[in-house]
Amino acid sequence: DQQVKQNSPSLSVQEGRISILNCDYTNSMFDYFLWYKKYPAEGPTFLISISSIKDKNEDGRFTVFLNKSAKHLSLHIVPSQPGDSAVYFCAASPLTSYDKVIFGPGTSLSVIP
Amino acid sequence: GAVVSQHPSRVICKSGTSVKIECRSLDFQATTMFWYRQFPKQSLMLMATSNEGSKATYEQGVEKDKFLINHASLTLSTLTVTSAHPEDSSFYICSARDGRQSNRGTEAFFGQGTRLTVV
Repeated sequence: DQQVKQNSPSLSVQEGRISILNCDYTNSMFDYFLWYKKYPAEGPTFLISISSIKDKNEDGRFTVFLNKSAKHLSLHIVPSQPGDSAVYFCAASPLTSYDKVIFGPGTSLSVIP
Repeated sequence: GAVVSQHPSRVICKSGTSVKIECRSLDFQATTMFWYRQFPKQSLMLMATSNEGSKATYEQGVEKDKFLINHASLTLSTLTVTSAHPEDSSFYICSARDGRQSNRGTEAFFGQGTRLTVV
């Protein structure tokens, strides 16, 4: 049973436009959420995170929104750049084991020049 | 910043042999490290939690006798795939978090990954 879901396996966006990547989770024990970016044959690199006590966190072009009641979060990238093309993993960490990170299946983002 | 180094990056082995993968935290101590496995076009699946000085904790469905984990020091965890078979071919990744960081708001750092091919 997948605890972190990313229902869009892929997304294409024009350069300069906004990219919105969505994520849903089922485990109510998750209280910390992260987004990772991954290139082929490399380990994931951390992008941005949000605690469950917040509903928004912004870092440059990246903003993560959290809707706890809906168990939904989203990553907004604006403006999108060709270098943003990668697989984006939504991940969650439970309160009882905060070092443990559970990943979603990923969304492959292609930013078209 | 904190770096996690994984070695080797690629390994090809014969069916029936064992392969050891190392995960090192280079500039911080990690009491806990995590091992993940990624199949092609799929997500990273958590395999086990490596605990320094004690037994690893395995996720459901992961054979602990097949995937031996040793965390002998605060900077090194190893994953040994024993009696490897072609179905064990995968991308294995480790992660660690700086144990000095008491703030929950710090991310885990990932190694570069190891591509294992069993022929």
